[in-house]
Amino acid sequence: EPEVTQTPSHQVTQMGQEVILRCVPISNHLYFYWYRQILGQKVEFLVSFYNNEISEKSEIFDDQFSVERPDGSNFTLKIRSTKLEDSAMYFCAIPARSRVDTEAFFGQGTRLTVV
Amino acid sequence: AQTVTQSQPEMSVQEAETVTLSCTYDTSENNYYLFWYKQPPSRQMILVIRQEAYKQQNATENRFSVNFQKAAKSFSLKISDSQLGDTAMYFCAFMDNTDKLIFGTGTRLQVFP
Repeated sequence: EPEVTQTPSHQVTQMGQEVILRCVPISNHLYFYWYRQILGQKVEFLVSFYNNEISEKSEIFDDQFSVERPDGSNFTLKIRSTKLEDSAMYFCAIPARSRVDTEAFFGQGTRLTVV
Repeated sequence: AQTVTQSQPEMSVQEAETVTLSCTYDTSENNYYLFWYKQPPSRQMILVIRQEAYKQQNATENRFSVNFQKAAKSFSLKISDSQLGDTAMYFCAFMDNTDKLIFGTGTRLQVFP
């Protein structure tokens, strides 16, 4: 069972519309990360979210974007007034640090297509 | 700022052969983590192998192993006995002390029968 589930898996939206991407961990996590991957390019950090607050954001994460934890269990990435260049894969990820090791669990991603 | 460089946009290898993907990085931190992720056509990010910087021993996971050279800031991935299912994009990534991942531009690996 994946650590993180993202919905929807694919979303097509018209330019100018708002979209909400969701991320649900299977257990309580305080840290969340959102990444974006434009087709054919590398994965880029968007924002990290800790304990209901943004802890760090990249220059990509402008006023068009927002993150929330609406009900204590799932995390959302909202993109307002979408543009064609927002078409990309969006991944959420949770870091997992233990005494043994560290890794980041990725959701399966949401493919956003803006038309 | 940390950077990750993958200088091989594409690589190919014949089935059952060995291939090495290169990765270099730049950081002023002393303790950190390095990862290789595989991204098949489904575009899911799959962890292949990880290395903690303070561990001198190179990490190994079955057919996958790394050559970690901390002084040279190099972290290459060796895939032995390549299989058709290894065909994918491979991303090298650096995890900083905020647990944020910084990725390289990726290497597209094609395994031929």
